Amino acid sequence: AQTVTQSQPEMSVQEAETVTLSCTYDTSESNYYLFWYKQPPSRQMILVIRQEAYKQQNATENRFSVNFQKAAKSFSLKISDSQLGDTAMYFCAFMTHSGGGADGLTFGKGTHLIIQP
Amino acid sequence: EAQVTQNPRYLITVTGKKLTVTCSQNMNHEYMSWYRQDPGLGLRQIYYSMNVEVTDKGDVPEGYKVSRKEKRNFPLILESPSPNQTSLYFCASSLIGTRGEQYFGPGTRLTVT
Repeated sequence: AQTVTQSQPEMSVQEAETVTLSCTYDTSESNYYLFWYKQPPSRQMILVIRQEAYKQQNATENRFSVNFQKAAKSFSLKISDSQLGDTAMYFCAFMTHSGGGADGLTFGKGTHLIIQP
Repeated sequence: EAQVTQNPRYLITVTGKKLTVTCSQNMNHEYMSWYRQDPGLGLRQIYYSMNVEVTDKGDVPEGYKVSRKEKRNFPLILESPSPNQTSLYFCASSLIGTRGEQYFGPGTRLTVT
């Protein structure tokens, strides 16, 4: 079974700063996906960024980027130039993908990120 | 607009009173899933379905039932709700064979007293 660990229950930074959220995972699979989801106070789950394990290049989406270290099973999220709207719960998630099927997401417990004005 | 809808969004009920939370998607997705979210635990998968009439248990299936009679709908049934099922529930869907992106519904806040 896969496990996802987010070791930072809560983080607080000043607006415009850069912040990094950590995530580690454990799996014996070789083919999988990793995700960061954002959950603002509206509770909607919003996909922030996705990384495919077979790709060595780290994914980026505007101000969001990841540091994917496959050997270390680490998948951190960096938010540059943080904005008040980035205040939310952030979940790291893992999904295996084998045989053309689909599997459920395994989530970490989340990091509550607060951006201070 | 491509979306996953859930109803109701909020529900307060009493122990033992059967209830159904509906989930519907308009994207012709084969895969649908239910998760529950609890403070400090993240989201955990309850049940999932790979296609019509194909369902399977996730990590926390006890006390829940599902059905998949139509491709677009995947209701979650609580035959005899208990207080420990008080939670925030999410339905999600995706295409099979894509790069894993799941689309989430807006969530249903359930309170069982």
